[in-house]
Amino acid sequence: GEDVEQSLFLSVREGDSSVINCTYTDSSSTYLYWYKQEPGAGLQLLTYIFSNMDMKQDQRLTVLLNKKDKHLSLRIADTQTGDSAIYFCAESPGGGADGLTFGKGTHLIIQP
Amino acid sequence: ETGVTQTPRHLVMGMTNKKSLKCEQHLGHNAMYWYKQSAKKPLELMFVYSLEERVENNSVPSRFSPECPNSSHLFLHLHTLQPEDSALYLCASSQERRKPQHFGDGTRLSIL
Repeated sequence: GEDVEQSLFLSVREGDSSVINCTYTDSSSTYLYWYKQEPGAGLQLLTYIFSNMDMKQDQRLTVLLNKKDKHLSLRIADTQTGDSAIYFCAESPGGGADGLTFGKGTHLIIQP
Repeated sequence: ETGVTQTPRHLVMGMTNKKSLKCEQHLGHNAMYWYKQSAKKPLELMFVYSLEERVENNSVPSRFSPECPNSSHLFLHLHTLQPEDSALYLCASSQERRKPQHFGDGTRLSIL
């Protein structure tokens, strides 16, 4: 079956790098995503990576994909207080399904 | 501003009421989705529409009734809801099926 797993909490100091990890089970996933959710808001699409890529960089964000291990990570450089949010990993399952399969989200806590 | 607008932002209703949630996207997308976000559970896909035709229904109770009159608008009609239906209901759209999805800010629904 489809399952996306991620740690529930991550605490980092302001200015440090944050690395949020995710594992998934569907080897036929086409796209893998990172979404950010701030309190009282919906999900903001941060970045996504196509399954034939290993890495994608976008300003402070770096996504790494290890397809062999079905492992996805999001690195946020120079973490700021505004980065405090819940980060969701999601995959587009193979087999023609339309909906995304989400993890339960990682709460990123920033220490001053 | 994500280009996906949901109204109302908050809704409190009794179990015997009938209400509707509205979603409008300004991105020129052809696919629209309803998701349910409950506490401590991953997001659950409810309905998918592509070019105004329903393409997926994930065994959602009949007390939830979607409507997609055109590719820019999506409704979720609610009647005789249960307390466990209290959740954040999120609408999303994508350029076409199985492409990156963009979410609205959601409607926080509380059933008394």
